[in-house]
Amino acid sequence: DTAVSQTPKYLVTQMGNDKSIKCEQNLGHDTMYWYKQDSKKFLKIMFSYNNKELIINETVPNRFSPKSPDKAHLNLHINSLELGDSAVYFCASSRGGTGNTIYFGEGSWLTVV
Amino acid sequence: GDSVTQMEGPVTLSEEAFLTINCTYTATGYPSLFWYVQYPGEGLQLLLKATKADDKGSNKGFEATYRKETTSFHLEKGSVQVSDSAVYFCALSGDNDYKLSFGAGTTVTVRA
Repeated sequence: DTAVSQTPKYLVTQMGNDKSIKCEQNLGHDTMYWYKQDSKKFLKIMFSYNNKELIINETVPNRFSPKSPDKAHLNLHINSLELGDSAVYFCASSRGGTGNTIYFGEGSWLTVV
Repeated sequence: GDSVTQMEGPVTLSEEAFLTINCTYTATGYPSLFWYVQYPGEGLQLLLKATKADDKGSNKGFEATYRKETTSFHLEKGSVQVSDSAVYFCALSGDNDYKLSFGAGTTVTVRA
């Protein structure tokens, strides 16, 4: 029973394409996140939704658009992919508020060629 | 803003050696502190956490104590195994904060 699942796990695509990564959590959490991990393993928050409302939108190109159809899903759509978008994208979820554990998915390895 | 600084790696150890990974933080108020572990090719897993000063988190032989006076949350394990080879991330969640701020990660390799 995967708590936070994201698909696809691996994605290789050409520059200029548009792609989506889907995420679902079955933990009953009200807050979901997208994090990006670069080639040096550095992790940075991209977006966060609480009860389907966008609450964190870090400095991310507007080619990246999150969509939360309901509290259990948070998808990430990327337009006009660039080489620099190659990274691992992690979906995560938690009960809202400080101190609560954030649970991560297994990551989606995106390679733009 | 809130930030986390952890010791740079990579760290290479022999089995049964003692492991320490230093982590210090900058935050206002009373953040919660976490250690996450990422095994090769996998996502991040919570290793341990502490939500108030002097709390000690522990799991799988790892320990870390929340020290407000030194703004630190150092990770320790007394006797590492090859299976502990991974990247370790220190992180904090600030007051009324809906996100984790991560340190840069420390790659640990344990040799048999």
